Order: sequence, then structure tokens, then C-alpha cells
Amino acid sequence: DTAVSQTPKYLVTQMGNDKSIKCEQNLGHDTMYWYKQDSKKFLKIMFSYNNKELIINETVPNRFSPKSPDKAHLNLHINSLELGDSAVYFCASSPSGRNTDTQYFGPGTRLTVL
Amino acid sequence: GDSVTQMEGPVTLSEEAFLTINCTYTATGYPSLFWYVQYPGEGLQLLLKATKADDKGSNKGFEATYRKETTSFHLEKGSVQVSDSAVYFCASSRNKFYFGSGTKLNVKP
Repeated sequence: DTAVSQTPKYLVTQMGNDKSIKCEQNLGHDTMYWYKQDSKKFLKIMFSYNNKELIINETVPNRFSPKSPDKAHLNLHINSLELGDSAVYFCASSPSGRNTDTQYFGPGTRLTVL
Repeated sequence: GDSVTQMEGPVTLSEEAFLTINCTYTATGYPSLFWYVQYPGEGLQLLLKATKADDKGSNKGFEATYRKETTSFHLEKGSVQVSDSAVYFCASSRNKFYFGSGTKLNVKP
């Protein structure tokens, strides 16, 4: 069983479009995250949710809107896509969001904006 | 603010060579420290971690010791294999995760 899954794995779209990426975890964790990995492999947190409540919201354009329908799911919706949004987006989860918690990552979604 | 600095790559080694990847952190207080590994086309996987000073994390022949005095968490392996070729990320955790920029390791047969 996949612990943290994301769909789609690849997403190719035109500038200006709106797209969503879905994430699900079956680990029973309370906390979920979205990260962006750029072409140089630099990984930066975007959002964090704990039990469906937003707890971390980094400096991310408001075109990006996370939604957590329940604590097992955290989806990412992106409006008006721009070239600079091209990256690999990773979802992750952890038991409670404590400093000592391990984060478990999904396989990533490679977004290409043309 | 908190940050993690790790050595730039790529690092190229022959099989059975000794590996060190340096990692230092900056933090107010005492974060937990992690090494993650990313194989091509995959997500990050936990390699090892240490949650307090002087703790040693180890897994699959890799080791790292939490050194408070030098604010370091260097990754070591005594004998690398071709299958260890991947990108390695050092991270600290205090309120949120801070990742280093990643170090690509290439191991040649």
C-alpha cells in the first residue's frame, strides 16, 4: 500500500490555465504539507495543515490555494499558471507536526507550464 | 532564521570508497536533524535522524552524529555502492523543516 500518494504524476499545461494536484495519505497522520522543488533541487515548504487547519503558509502567491477536506487529504489548486510555476511538487505527512517527527513524502508531481 | 548548508555536488566516488557529505545548521534552540535520500524520479525517503545532541543516527551503513558544538550533522558511509547514487538532503526541524540544497552522489563501478 502506498503511504502518501499524489495524482497526477505528470502535468503539462498552458500558461493561464487552472490546475489541481491531489494528495492522500493512509498513515493516519494529523499533519500534511506541500513542498516545491525547483530545477536545482532546492526544496521549500509552501503550506502545512494540521487536522484540516492551516498552520504554515509561506510567502506563496495567492494563486496557490490548498484545501484539506479531511485530515487524510490535502489538495493544491493553482490558478492562472505561470512559467515560473514549473517545478516538482511534493506532498508529505507526519504524525503530529512535532520537531522530532519524520515526514513521509509522496512521489511528486512534475508540473510543466508551457 | 533557521537554515541548513550542505556541501555542493556532484560528488563522484568509486565503489567501496569512503563517503562524507558535510552539513551544518543554524537554529535558535535545538532542532531535530535528518538526512533524506532522493532516487531519480522518486520522492524523498528518510535515511536517518537524530533528535538531540550527541545522538547518532544510522541506517544501511550510513551514519551521522548530532554535534551541537560545531552545529553539524555530517553524513558518512565506509564503503559506498553503485546503488547509493542519489541526491542526499540534510534537514533541520524546528517548527518546520528546513532543507539543504541537496548533494548529488555518483558512485562508479
